[in-house]
Amino acid sequence: QSVLTQPPSVSGAPGQRVTISCTGSSSNIGAGYDVHWYQQLPGTAPKLLIYGNSNRPSGVPDRFSGSKSGTSASLAITGLQAEDEADYYCQSYDSSLSAMFGGGTKLTVL
Amino acid sequence: QLQLQESGPGLVKPSETLSLTCTVSGGSISSSSYYWGWIRQPPGKGLEWIGSIYYSGSTYYNPSLKSRVTISVDTSKNQFSLKLSSVTAADTAVYYCARLGVPRRYFDLWGRGTLVTVSS
Repeated sequence: QSVLTQPPSVSGAPGQRVTISCTGSSSNIGAGYDVHWYQQLPGTAPKLLIYGNSNRPSGVPDRFSGSKSGTSASLAITGLQAEDEADYYCQSYDSSLSAMFGGGTKLTVL
Repeated sequence: QLQLQESGPGLVKPSETLSLTCTVSGGSISSSSYYWGWIRQPPGKGLEWIGSIYYSGSTYYNPSLKSRVTISVDTSKNQFSLKLSSVTAADTAVYYCARLGVPRRYFDLWGRGTLVTVSS
């Protein structure tokens, strides 16, 4: 059972917008710690997608955006493309500097 | 361009110690801007943080694994290592090493991962 809760799966048609939630607690996200997002394509290592709640590393399309409010965070993907089909993970940490991941969300492009 | 590469046995017997090394190339492990970490992923499951280390040797471990984990660093070889003792089949996973940026604490660079199977 992950400390950060994500929906197991989401889906959307090409061109649509989908969101993935990440719910924590007052010990991690709610305590003000940053949330980061990773994309894991099948058979590959995770790749940093969003850092510091809403920042995109160089090379990540602006179709991907992140936000944070209270004890939760969200990843939004607009203009869904077939290549976006992957697993997505949120990550934060707590006051003991222990990192933690969400359970992961499988995105299916219909 | 900095790269990370995991290495070590792909098969470990139950009750023995799993040992992996991550070699950092194209840059120095002694940067003040980064920690270095280990993350694992059991087949078909999610990511689990194991622990992180600074070039000075300062470490942080996942509380659920802390009693079995040791992470060390060798700056002369630009490597850091993982030891996980008393392994069981539940420790079968792909093990990743990664760079952890500070102070915002995100993993911005990952190795390709190595599958370790625990079986007799």
